[in-house]
Amino acid sequence: SQQGEEDPQALSIQEGENATMNCSYKTSINNLQWYRQNSGRGLVHLILIRSNEREKHSGRLRVTLDTSKKSSSLLITASRAADTASYFCATDNQAGTALIFGKGTTLSVSS
Amino acid sequence: GAGVSQSPRYKVAKRGQDVALRCDPISGHVSLFWYQQALGQGPEFLTYFQNEAQLDKSGLPSDRFFAERPEGSVSTLKIQRTQQEDSAVYLCASSAQDRGGTQPQHFGDGTRLSIL
Repeated sequence: SQQGEEDPQALSIQEGENATMNCSYKTSINNLQWYRQNSGRGLVHLILIRSNEREKHSGRLRVTLDTSKKSSSLLITASRAADTASYFCATDNQAGTALIFGKGTTLSVSS
Repeated sequence: GAGVSQSPRYKVAKRGQDVALRCDPISGHVSLFWYQQALGQGPEFLTYFQNEAQLDKSGLPSDRFFAERPEGSVSTLKIQRTQQEDSAVYLCASSAQDRGGTQPQHFGDGTRLSIL
């Protein structure tokens, strides 16, 4: 079963614009991760935010975490055509033996 | 190689046949995971190995699914008596330490399984 839900399911923007994706989850977590998946490829880890952190940056990526609302957001600034992909949030189960993924947001960036 | 390698990339089988999918994790990685990804969905957890020990198999959908990692490196996912609903992409991932669910995971490109 899926832990969380990403919102929106699909997002289309122009190059240079910012893209924001949201993720909600159901149970308490140790951390939350975001992954990118290009068509026909495996997932690539983008960023991990721990449950005691509220915000984290990595290059053009900014992630926030609100554990009281059980939600996270991923912001990609100054988007590029190469950012076109599906983006998934994932949380660990309490035992740390699995990642539980949402259904993903499909981002399309046009030039 | 430097990354997680999966083979074959594509597998077509007739319903009722057995299939075996292979995963070569990053050398030295303790944790190894298998996921199933249906079209348009996120990956769903199947099973977890810490070295050669299968510590969590709660995601395996039926007893037709079997996974092993006998020497703590290469892993094989076997599906017996395949059915059409087994058609999906099977992803393998590894991470450096134990409790790999709490760390970044490195994914292979998956095996796309089609059951006719």
